[in-house]
Amino acid sequence: EAGVAQSPRYKIIEKRQSVAFWCNPISGHATLYWYQQILGQGPKLLIQFQNNGVVDDSQLPKDRFSAERLKGVDSTLKIQPAKLEDSAVYLCASSLGQLQLAKNIQYFGAGTRLSVL
Amino acid sequence: AQTVTQSQPEMSVQEAETVTLSCTYDTSESDYYLFWYKQPPSRQMILVIRQEAYKQQNATENRFSVNFQKAAKSFSLKISDSQLGDAAMYFCAYSPPRFGNEKLTFGTGTRLTIIP
Repeated sequence: EAGVAQSPRYKIIEKRQSVAFWCNPISGHATLYWYQQILGQGPKLLIQFQNNGVVDDSQLPKDRFSAERLKGVDSTLKIQPAKLEDSAVYLCASSLGQLQLAKNIQYFGAGTRLSVL
Repeated sequence: AQTVTQSQPEMSVQEAETVTLSCTYDTSESDYYLFWYKQPPSRQMILVIRQEAYKQQNATENRFSVNFQKAAKSFSLKISDSQLGDAAMYFCAYSPPRFGNEKLTFGTGTRLTIIP
């Protein structure tokens, strides 16, 4: 089966510009996650969707970050305006979302590396 | 809040030897899941092994096994017969069992180098 797809792989922007990342989860996966991984750190959850509803966005900087998951499939994460400290890898993951079947296993995409200059 | 600590930023091992990566965590939950993920330079996080806290038996996956000590809140990963392809960042992660809130909390990672 196809894995989690993300694009673009790399993005370089200047501070105060806007940027968007796209994620296509594994077919049939109800739960989608966006993580931010700053260099030298482990990934940190930004937002979690269950179908097209938000489950957890407590660590999303809502003044500049936004995310949506239309029709419960693809998702986009946007940053506007970007700051230097937003430089990181943005990882998308998905899971079945049904506890017994999913067994809490998340499958990750290859991520987007963002550099803010 | 749950925390995950990996105290070894870097480890190295000779090819074909055995290496153990350490992880400790803090939680007030009695039931939860623990994971080891591998992240090669390609950046994609790959699941290595998973442990359910209510199971006393340590999980194993081929050359990978864990030592799960629930009382000590310790979860180490043992890699036997190390291979060059095992070189990567390894992350320990925690997840609560509650349906609809399975977010992962990661440690800071251990960079594993395999010496030919």
